[in-house]
Amino acid sequence: DADVTQTPRNRITKTGKRIMLECSQTKGHDRMYWYRQDPGLGLRLIYYSFDVKDINKGEISDGYSVSRQAQAKFSLSLESAIPNQTALYFCATAETSYNEQFFGPGTRLTVL
Amino acid sequence: EDQVTQSPEALRLQEGESSSLNCSYTVSGLRGLFWYRQDPGKGPEFLFTLYSAGEEKEKERLKATLTKKESFLHITAPKPEDSATYLCAVSYNNNDMRFGAGTRLTVKP
Repeated sequence: DADVTQTPRNRITKTGKRIMLECSQTKGHDRMYWYRQDPGLGLRLIYYSFDVKDINKGEISDGYSVSRQAQAKFSLSLESAIPNQTALYFCATAETSYNEQFFGPGTRLTVL
Repeated sequence: EDQVTQSPEALRLQEGESSSLNCSYTVSGLRGLFWYRQDPGKGPEFLFTLYSAGEEKEKERLKATLTKKESFLHITAPKPEDSATYLCAVSYNNNDMRFGAGTRLTVKP
């Protein structure tokens, strides 16, 4: 079984809808991250969390919110989706901020 | 401004033709530099971590090196299965992490 899982894997929605992307991990890591990936722009950090009570904004947090329900679960929400949020979204975990990150398989989100 | 720049954007090689990918960075307080491989439709997969200038790491046909301003990923005698996008990332300051846009490598048989 995969160490980092994401649901859904694909989602098509309409402008203005609320969307939640979920991430679960079995690696026992405290640190969890949400990234978006756009062609030519690489991975950009949206939010990151060091534990259930410690959540921080990343480079591009506007239009997004997150919830850390437990050590193993970290959800990303788009309160009112817009077309320029169409992208590939990845969740990642790490043991510390200075260690490698382990990525989930990604969620391809399309906002029409 | 903190930046991570990878070059070239795309690289096409013949099988067996060795080459290098570059990752240059302008960040303060480097904590570590990471190389990942990403196959289409999948999440990045960790390859190497380098922590200090002069450090080198090897894995099969790949070798990563680090200087104070850049890192190289050397690919020796590549095979078609090495085709992928290679991502570089730097960890700096206390908790910041920044990725480059990647180099898309294609190895033709």
